[in-house]
Amino acid sequence: SQQGEEDPQALSIQEGENATMNCSYKTSINNLQWYRQNSGRGLVHLILIRSNEREKHSGRLRVTLDTSKKSSSLLITASRAADTASYFCATDSGGGSEKLVFGKGMKLTVNP
Amino acid sequence: EADIYQTPRYLVIGTGKKITLECSQTMGHDKMYWYQQDPGMELHLIHYSYGVNSTEKGDLSSESTVSRIRTEHFPLTLESARPSHTSQYLCASMKWGSKLAEAFFGQGTRLTVV
Repeated sequence: SQQGEEDPQALSIQEGENATMNCSYKTSINNLQWYRQNSGRGLVHLILIRSNEREKHSGRLRVTLDTSKKSSSLLITASRAADTASYFCATDSGGGSEKLVFGKGMKLTVNP
Repeated sequence: EADIYQTPRYLVIGTGKKITLECSQTMGHDKMYWYQQDPGMELHLIHYSYGVNSTEKGDLSSESTVSRIRTEHFPLTLESARPSHTSQYLCASMKWGSKLAEAFFGQGTRLTVV
């Protein structure tokens, strides 16, 4: 089964609003990453947060990690139409297996 | 821009044909992955490799096979394509040994078996 689960599955907002996506996972991790996918293309890495970090920022992105709840959230502030894409969380699944496992993804639509 | 390439980008092929999806990266990464992505977006790990001569099956059972004879090359082969193999296939690579590494993805191959 997949390690990560994004929530909600789809989100539609207006430009300028903030978008929050949540991810839950099941096993211990070394790090958690967020990726973005434009329609029909490959995934692009956005941000990585280590298991001993609680919050990380990169531009308009803010990621939090709660290892006690096995959950993470990605906040995109002041969204733009160009942020319209699918977003995935990924974990390395820990345990030395080196597998990179993705969640189901969340489709974000930012309306101009 | 990631230096990882997949060919072809699109492929329509008849049932029963043998096909090979190519994936190459020029970053010297040891770890490489193949994912199958269904129309509902979910990515399923079908194969991965730690390096040359290393291949492992992923979480989703697949009739495909892979090989890793060279670091930069990780092709995926279907001996006899079926309509159920119709999907988007994504290849990725990652630097070994770093817990802070990100994965780099190719543009994907969209396979349609008719």
